[in-house]
Amino acid sequence: SQQGEEDPQALSIQEGENATMNCSYKTSINNLQWYRQNSGRGLVHLILIRSNEREKHSGRLRVTLDTSKKSSSLLITASRAADTASYFCATVFYGNNRLAFGKGNQVVVIP
Amino acid sequence: NAGVTQTPKFQVLKTGQSMTLQCAQDMNHEYMSWYRQDPGMGLRLIHYSVGAGITDQGEVPNGYNVSRSTTEDFPLRLLSAAPSQTSVYFCASTAGLHQPQHFGDGTRLSIL
Repeated sequence: SQQGEEDPQALSIQEGENATMNCSYKTSINNLQWYRQNSGRGLVHLILIRSNEREKHSGRLRVTLDTSKKSSSLLITASRAADTASYFCATVFYGNNRLAFGKGNQVVVIP
Repeated sequence: NAGVTQTPKFQVLKTGQSMTLQCAQDMNHEYMSWYRQDPGMGLRLIHYSVGAGITDQGEVPNGYNVSRSTTEDFPLRLLSAAPSQTSVYFCASTAGLHQPQHFGDGTRLSIL
């Protein structure tokens, strides 16, 4: 499968701690995106990182991309209970105009 | 600004029935997609469109039809519903694959 795979698939942390999730993929990508999904809702875009970029920040979020290892990480700093959600990575592969999603990572932040 | 609107939000069908899931966006996006989300499977692409009059198959197209007669609308048709099509369906739109995708809130479909 070309889809990204998130790791760990479930994470439970205390409020205020940092949460790190990883995503691995198998073939060359055009860009990689991270999305959040709250229970019962649609997905919300967090960050897009292009293949020629190594790191991007947005508020408390930091995304890194290592194309040599075909992996990306999403760091949420100083987590809040409102960060409880599922997080998905999604990739656009070269020569392909589709966005392929991983299976998701469930994060629970305990107040 | 409504974004991506999906209707209905919930639907129960009997095996063999047909129906159309509606999706409309008001952002003038060329690219629209339909996904299904099943437990433990993430989102799987059913069909997508890169503009009015242009559609293509995704990962799991069997049992579904789409058309794109306008930029705004991208309906998904279930031809003869089967229990395996019980799922949550999401429509998304984007200005391009280097841009964020905007998702609707989903249609929860049960086939009995």
